This record gives sequence, structure tokens and C-alpha cells, in this order.
Amino acid sequence: GENVEQHPSTLSVQEGDSAVIKCTYSDSASNYFPWYKQELGKRPQLIIDIRSNVGEKKDQRIAVTLNKTAKHFSLHITETQPEDSAVYFCATTSDGYYGQNFVFGPGTRLSVLP
Amino acid sequence: DAGVTQSPTHLIKTRGQQVTLRCSPKSGHDTVSWYQQALGQGPQFIFQYYEEEERQRGNFPDRFSGHQFPNYSSELNVNALLLGDSALYLCASSLDRLAADEQYFGPGTRLTVT
Repeated sequence: GENVEQHPSTLSVQEGDSAVIKCTYSDSASNYFPWYKQELGKRPQLIIDIRSNVGEKKDQRIAVTLNKTAKHFSLHITETQPEDSAVYFCATTSDGYYGQNFVFGPGTRLSVLP
Repeated sequence: DAGVTQSPTHLIKTRGQQVTLRCSPKSGHDTVSWYQQALGQGPQFIFQYYEEEERQRGNFPDRFSGHQFPNYSSELNVNALLLGDSALYLCASSLDRLAADEQYFGPGTRLTVT
């Protein structure tokens, strides 16, 4: 089955700096790659996603890049703010008539220091 | 427009007991997935329900079972509880399409097994 690795496990940055989190996956059939943000005690919330027919997607300060050949995708947060502090999870799945089985990475705890 | 709701919020059970958790999907959604999130880890896929049938299943024992009702709400049942079943149980809903798409998570049920 699919295996998703995520690095780093913890990341501390100064406010205003950029943060990059990288995930690798094993299943070449995976074609949907969402990123979730989970604040302490709250539910995971989708912040950005990308499909395999796109190499990069941006939404204000957040971007995701995908390299299907190397089987990795990355989350980029620019101009970080203290409210960006949270645990970030990557996930993968594939299209399918019989539904989707989302596989999540272990998470990255991001701390933005003021 | 109601989002995904789950009940109860918290639950304490004793080893060997049985538990039932409930989920109501976001309005308009017909597919419900269940996840187990242990402390400090990413969500682990348990199973997905669509049209009242289990469509996909992760690597969980038969002690974990579910049900989906005609109104798309769902239940997760866990029998013969073990200490290791202590976790946050998340429900996520989506709209069934052949293409993988965004999931919306509920707030979760915190299960503690003593």
C-alpha cells in the first residue's frame, strides 16, 4: 500500500521567514495531494490541494509544488505569521470508482516565533 | 449550511467494552470516511461508506465496524476495546465523484479507554 513520509517533523522559523515542508509517497497511482492544518484541539482543515496534472498551485502566501517523477510534493508558506503555528499534514489518494483511501503523513509541527 | 458534526465530544470506556460514535456529514455530501488519530500522529484511515456500504477499508481489525444510514449519517462501532484504541476519532465527509476531492472533517470524538 501507499506510504507517505514527511519532513521535517518539527520546524521553527522567525516571523516573516518562509517555511517548507516536504512529503514523499510511494504509489505512482496517487493523483490527489491535499495539505491540512491542524491547530491544537481542533479538526484538520484543508489549506491547499493539487492534482497530478498540475506542477504548482498558489493561494496567497501558500503554495504547493508536485514532482510526480520523483514522487514528492512540498508545501511552501511565505511571510510566516504567528497564526501559522500548527501541525501540518500532507496526504495522498487516487481517483477510483470504489472510493478513496487517504494516506496521511506523520505531520510537521511548525512554530513561528515572533 | 451545517458542517460535519460528531457525537459525543468525549467518551471514557473500560477495556473490553463496546462503543458507538456518530457522524453527520456536511449538507449535500453522501460519502463518509472515518479516521483514528493517535496523539502526535497523522490520521489513519479506518473505512469509507457510500450508499450504505463499506467501500474502502484501511488496516484495522474486524473489531472496527460501521454503518451508514439512508440520510448519509454514519456510525463507527468498536468492540472489545483495548487501551491502544484511545485516540481522537475523526469523521470526514465528501461528495462522491470518480475524481478524488476535498474532505471536510468533523471536530472528532476523543475516546479514552482505561
